[in-house]
Amino acid sequence: AQKVTQAQTEISVVEKEDVTLDCVYETRDTTYYLFWYKQPPSGELVFLIRRNSFDEQNEISGRYSWNFQKSTSSFNFTITASQVVDSAVYFCALSPSFSGNTPLVFGKGTRLSVIA
Amino acid sequence: ETGVTQTPRHLVMGMTNKKSLKCEQHLGHNAMYWYKQSAKKPLELMFVYNFKEQTENNSVPSRFSPECPNSSHLFLHLHTLQPEDSALYLCASSQADRDRGDTQYFGPGTRLTVL
Repeated sequence: AQKVTQAQTEISVVEKEDVTLDCVYETRDTTYYLFWYKQPPSGELVFLIRRNSFDEQNEISGRYSWNFQKSTSSFNFTITASQVVDSAVYFCALSPSFSGNTPLVFGKGTRLSVIA
Repeated sequence: ETGVTQTPRHLVMGMTNKKSLKCEQHLGHNAMYWYKQSAKKPLELMFVYNFKEQTENNSVPSRFSPECPNSSHLFLHLHTLQPEDSALYLCASSQADRDRGDTQYFGPGTRLTVL
């Protein structure tokens, strides 16, 4: 069975602080994809990143960085120098071994509040 | 036109009404999805369409009826809903690609309130 756990329900930080959102997943597949989505108050889920299970290289995009560690089944997301506009709910998701249009398995999300 | 659009953005309906939600994707994808997002609950997959064929129905009550006339359009027909059906309904699309995985792109959602 596939499962995604985001243990942090809500996080509150002061602007310019760094913050890490945790994601732990479970799967028996050897090939899978991991995702992060951002859901601002407007409601739309915005795709942030996709990571192939064979690629453990960390990725940085501006203030965002992702740390994928297969050994601990984790795919954590760090925002550096947080801004008020980063306030949103962030979802981690898993796509099981590819066999067509496989639905995503989502975590419950982490609500991030960045206070000015 | 942005990638995935949904109309209406907000809908209030009584329990005896019949209404439809519409989703359109402009990304050339071959799969479309309906999700339900209730307050304080995780995203729930409702339906999946692959090349217009329904490939998944996640035990959704029959008062929700999907329709996919082509790979660009997806509807969710609603009738005799219950107040607990009030939620944000999100549509997504993806292009099945073995090399690139199944990245789903979401629309802005329809906020449904059932009175």
